[in-house]
Amino acid sequence: GAGVSQTPSNKVTEKGKYVELRCDPISGHTALYWYRQSLGQGPEFLIYFQGTGAADDSGLPNDRFFAVRPEGSVSTLKIQRTERGDSAVYLCASSLIRGSEAFFGQGTRLTVV
Amino acid sequence: AQKVTQAQTEISVVEKEDVTLDCVYETRDTTYYLFWYKQPPSGELVFLIRRNSFDEQNEISGRYSWNFQKSTSSFNFTITASQVVDSAVYFCALSENDYKLSFGAGTTVTVRA
Repeated sequence: GAGVSQTPSNKVTEKGKYVELRCDPISGHTALYWYRQSLGQGPEFLIYFQGTGAADDSGLPNDRFFAVRPEGSVSTLKIQRTERGDSAVYLCASSLIRGSEAFFGQGTRLTVV
Repeated sequence: AQKVTQAQTEISVVEKEDVTLDCVYETRDTTYYLFWYKQPPSGELVFLIRRNSFDEQNEISGRYSWNFQKSTSSFNFTITASQVVDSAVYFCALSENDYKLSFGAGTTVTVRA
């Protein structure tokens, strides 16, 4: 595709359930980032992938959050035992190489009820 | 500690007025990068500019201009002759390692016809 694609665009889940959020980066982009944006706030960094490996996961809030990028392209952010405080828009971005312009997707709005 | 401060929460102007968005940052690094992003109602973050700490030249791109002042740790953004399509949330961001962005809380700009 032409841009970063995130699915689903909206996800409503019950407290305690497991969710997966998918990110399709721009083809050929080696760097991939996940951010979380709460209402009225700027995005907060979660994790950065260079290729298949998580180069920096310092932003993941706790061990309920995990992300993978097994083939160096598509990435999945996984959240276990969701809590109401996890409700936010989860943004994915990719860049050709680390430090080059990052292109963001439109995000997945997660609501935990 | 907050690294990027956007003191203006909301700005409302009439079309064709100029609008300046303030951004003050905090870092101990001598090498860092500053960014501005636009987030229209669709939610996708749109890259506007990236500036490294060694380049203090002001920049103009069409109706957009940026004023980087290291002495006051500020990186302000001006939209000249605003248009309704400029209505969006604008984020200033700092990166100390060229990949992890620390965003401010954003400034909502509303341009009225």
